Order: sequence, then structure tokens, then C-alpha cells
Amino acid sequence: GQQLNQSPQSMFIQEGEDVSMNCTSSSIFNTWLWYKQDPGEGPVLLIALYKAGELTSNGRLTAQFGITRKDSFLNISASIPSDVGIYFCAGQLANQGGKLIFGQGTELSVKP
Amino acid sequence: DSGVTQTPKHLITATGQRVTLRCSPRSGDLSVYWYQQSLDQGLQFLIQYYNGEERAKGNILERFSAQQFPDLHSELNLSSLELGDSALYFCASSVNSANQPQHFGDGTRLSIL
Repeated sequence: GQQLNQSPQSMFIQEGEDVSMNCTSSSIFNTWLWYKQDPGEGPVLLIALYKAGELTSNGRLTAQFGITRKDSFLNISASIPSDVGIYFCAGQLANQGGKLIFGQGTELSVKP
Repeated sequence: DSGVTQTPKHLITATGQRVTLRCSPRSGDLSVYWYQQSLDQGLQFLIQYYNGEERAKGNILERFSAQQFPDLHSELNLSSLELGDSALYFCASSVNSANQPQHFGDGTRLSIL
């Protein structure tokens, strides 16, 4: 089946540092979404991308839809302690309704 | 608050039993999705309903079934429960079917003893 490879699996950074994570696939996606999940809660949508090459920001977060439509990255600038959590990429393939395929997640730890 | 409501928050039951998980989508959303999250499999798509009809199906076990009612709320029924069914079950909703952001509820944690 389709898979999304998300890296890195985990990151330990100092407050104020920038963070970058990405997802790659062998399949072509129509939509890329980035979510953050805190313990005991559901994934919260951060950024949605719909066009190849699209670059979208949400505060300190920036994400891009890769030109090949097989990858996406998420950058967090000037990290703060509340950025701690698990970040997931998710993609939608054509002709599969709204089914989302998720990456394995990147666990982010921020040291004050 | 995503606007997606799931009940119950926690469910503890025994093997062989049957449970029903409930989801109310965000106001105005016609599509409902069910996902299973476990440590070994991650977040896996189970099934999608759009305006009352099944739209897409993932690797959902035959022991599991779902439906979406005229008021657009959805229920996921899990029967003949096994230990391996212990997981977080999430519901998400979106306005239409594809190319739309999905908003997730806070999930139901199912524990099988």
C-alpha cells in the first residue's frame, strides 16, 4: 500500500532554534496536510496545501508542497516550549475520496 | 476546539464484546472519517461517509462497521472484540469529500481486557 516516510522520527532542540521535518512518498499526492498532536488529544490541523510548489505559512510555521507532488516539508522558526508534541504529515491521493495517508510522526522536544 | 465531538472518551470492555463509538461532525460538514491510532500501526484510515453514503474504505476489519445518519452524525461499531483492537479511534470531518482539510475529534480510547 501507499506509504509516507516522515523524518526525523524525533528531535531534541533548544528553545529559539529552527526546526525542519519532511515527508516523502513514491506516490503522487493531490493534497498535503500537516497536523500536531498533543497527548490525550486529536490531531490539530496546522497547514493544508493543495498545489504543487505551494508555500504556505501559519505564524512561525511554513510548509511547502513539493514540485514532484511526492514530498512536503514543514519548518518551525524560533521554537518555543509549547511547540512540543508529535507532528504528522498526511496526504490525499487522487480518486480515493478523502482518505488520508499519515506519516509515522516526528516527536519534537524543546528545551527551555 | 475542532468542533468534532466524540463519545465516549474512554471505553473499557472485554474480549468478545461489542461497542459503539459515536461522532458528531462540525456544523456544515458532510463527510465523516474514522481512523485508528495504535503504537505499532500509527494512524490508519478505516472508512469515510459522505452525506449518508459510504465513500471510501480502508483496511477496516469485517468485524467493524459504520454508518452515517440523516443528521450526519456517525457511529462506528466494533464487534467480537480482540485484545489487538485496543487503540485510539478518531473521527474527523470535512465540508466535502476530497481536497478538503479534515478536522479531528479528541478520540475514543478503547481498552480491551
